[in-house]
Amino acid sequence: EVYLEESGGGLVQPGGSLRLSCAASGFTFSSYWIHWVRQAPGKGLVWVSRINSDGSSTSYADSVKGRFTISRDNAKNTLYLQMNSLRAEDTAVYYCGRGRDWGFDYWGQGTLVTVSS
Amino acid sequence: QTVVTQEPSFSVSPGGTVTLTCGWRSGSVATNYYPSWYQQTPGQAPRTLIYNTNVRSSGVPDRFSGSILGNKAALTITGAQTDDESVYYCVLYTGSGIWVFGGGTKLTVL
Repeated sequence: EVYLEESGGGLVQPGGSLRLSCAASGFTFSSYWIHWVRQAPGKGLVWVSRINSDGSSTSYADSVKGRFTISRDNAKNTLYLQMNSLRAEDTAVYYCGRGRDWGFDYWGQGTLVTVSS
Repeated sequence: QTVVTQEPSFSVSPGGTVTLTCGWRSGSVATNYYPSWYQQTPGQAPRTLIYNTNVRSSGVPDRFSGSILGNKAALTITGAQTDDESVYYCVLYTGSGIWVFGGGTKLTVL
């Protein structure tokens, strides 16, 4: 069974940093693109970033470009999102999603990031 | 401004059919935008319904179907059930490694 589990969320001050992880199991992790998608409280889903299967190619939404870095460790079946210079508007539940045919098929349950002083 | 447009809300009677749409502010949605659809209930992670325009995700009943209708992507639910009451999101691949979600459609079944 495909399983994705996010971790690393929490409370951080504006300007601070946080690293999220997404642990994968039940499929050949190294064969799939993986995405980060976030959802601010009471708001809709927003695509954040994506990484290809071997980690050689990444892309970002304009709102996080230059502040967030997506990476992966295929030996550990784990995806990461390094978030720097955090702002209040980055407060959201962050989901990882497995890429499939230019969409997403499986999702984790999410991890909450709160940026507040 | 929202570049991927969805109806903010829609209502359908139990057993009825409803079609939700997903537009692109800058033009027409075609299959090369690879539209996909997701269902989300409060407090839950999204659930994938359709990807690549019309491919149903594993375990999704065939009363959910995806298509291109005119210049928009569409999600049709036939035989609506009360537990279909959710928010439905579409997402489009806009090229250059960028995906954009619509604002979501809140579907009421009553």
